[in-house]
Amino acid sequence: SQQGEEDPQALSIQEGENATMNCSYKTSINNLQWYRQNSGRGLVHLILIRSNEREKHSGRLRVTLDTSKKSSSLLITASRAADTASYFCATVPPGNTGKLIFGQGTTLQVKP
Amino acid sequence: GAGVSQSPRYKVAKRGQDVALRCDPISGHVSLFWYQQALGQGPEFLTYFQNEAQLDKSGLPSDRFFAERPEGSVSTLKIQRTQQEDSAVYLCASSPGQGARVNEKLFFGSGTQLSVL
Repeated sequence: SQQGEEDPQALSIQEGENATMNCSYKTSINNLQWYRQNSGRGLVHLILIRSNEREKHSGRLRVTLDTSKKSSSLLITASRAADTASYFCATVPPGNTGKLIFGQGTTLQVKP
Repeated sequence: GAGVSQSPRYKVAKRGQDVALRCDPISGHVSLFWYQQALGQGPEFLTYFQNEAQLDKSGLPSDRFFAERPEGSVSTLKIQRTQQEDSAVYLCASSPGQGARVNEKLFFGSGTQLSVL
């Protein structure tokens, strides 16, 4: 498997707090994406950051990318109970084969 | 029909049976993908179509796995002589992109949960 590593594997916070999850990957990339998966459902695309970008924002989401360390982080600010889900990073290696390589995910629980 | 539709939602098969899993992508989406997700893991790539052409099947675990998309729309993933290790959720995704943007934003179905007894 070429999956990257995500940490923490599980995270539990109170509503209103910020949640940070990290992703490390192994190969050079064209871009990195974050997806959310609610229990028993498919994945939903959250945000994409390109290899020449260092930071990107979308609403309450902030993503950073450090290609020298082959790592990315996803910050969710002012979390809500509805943010409870699993979060996966996915990388696009050079070559455009269509393949996304997913990490193992971080399970986030936001307590009301 | 706003999203990617997969059927059946659940499938229980006896070891050795053949199964067929269906995916209806979002209308007009050129690219279609199949992923396998084991419990507690991230999805793993199986195969990718652009229209009816299967451009990458490097993730198919064995020759028991076969996917097709004959008219460039609906796709079927077939697993022959199922084994217990095939138990997983099979996710289908589609995207409007192709070429360099083929996998920049995938739209996923809810998956088919396959249990092989």
